[in-house]
Amino acid sequence: GQQLNQSPQSMFIQEGEDVSMNCTSSSIFNTWLWYKQDPGEGPVLLIALYKAGELTSNGRLTAQFGITRKDSFLNISASIPSDVGIYFCAGSSGTYKYIFGTGTRLKVLA
Amino acid sequence: GAVVSQHPSWVICKSGTSVKIECRSLDFQATTMFWYRQFPKQSLMLMATSNEGSKATYEQGVEKDKFLINHASLTLSTLTVTSAHPEDSSFYICSARARTSNTGELFFGEGSRLTVL
Repeated sequence: GQQLNQSPQSMFIQEGEDVSMNCTSSSIFNTWLWYKQDPGEGPVLLIALYKAGELTSNGRLTAQFGITRKDSFLNISASIPSDVGIYFCAGSSGTYKYIFGTGTRLKVLA
Repeated sequence: GAVVSQHPSWVICKSGTSVKIECRSLDFQATTMFWYRQFPKQSLMLMATSNEGSKATYEQGVEKDKFLINHASLTLSTLTVTSAHPEDSSFYICSARARTSNTGELFFGEGSRLTVL
């Protein structure tokens, strides 16, 4: 099935550092969602984006809907150990059927 | 956010048997639910779209006769893996969109881990 390209694939960072990850698509999307998944659990919605250029925050998380509507970015500021997990982007062209990114595995070193 | 619950959270079965997984929206009605499959260290792959009161729509490559989906009410969708084989072992996750929602937010269940011996 179709997947979105997400990068980086994985990253180790020091506690307190900022983190950036992005997702790119060959198709235009109307909605971008960002999720965090812990091992053995379902994804938890972090941020939803509905408009090109939109910048939305949720605590230390900030996500942006790219102007071209083919990409999205997620930033985590001042990372903490509980930020560890896998982050997925998901895009939809308006049918509520979402395609998921390949995931970014984040590991935070205390 | 809205609550979606799956049951069972894990199941082990013998090859050749059938397994049913339930997905319930606990505090909202869901016209549409989606079933995903996730293999270890991989992303979520959409299997099918479950529509209340009508037949499910399957993604390319997903066998509808093997993965039976029933969405008999606005709060319940079931996925039955028929004649399961070891290669069907995976993490199955459902998601739902609220019937009254005018946004695109999808809420996921906790997932069901299937192991076929």
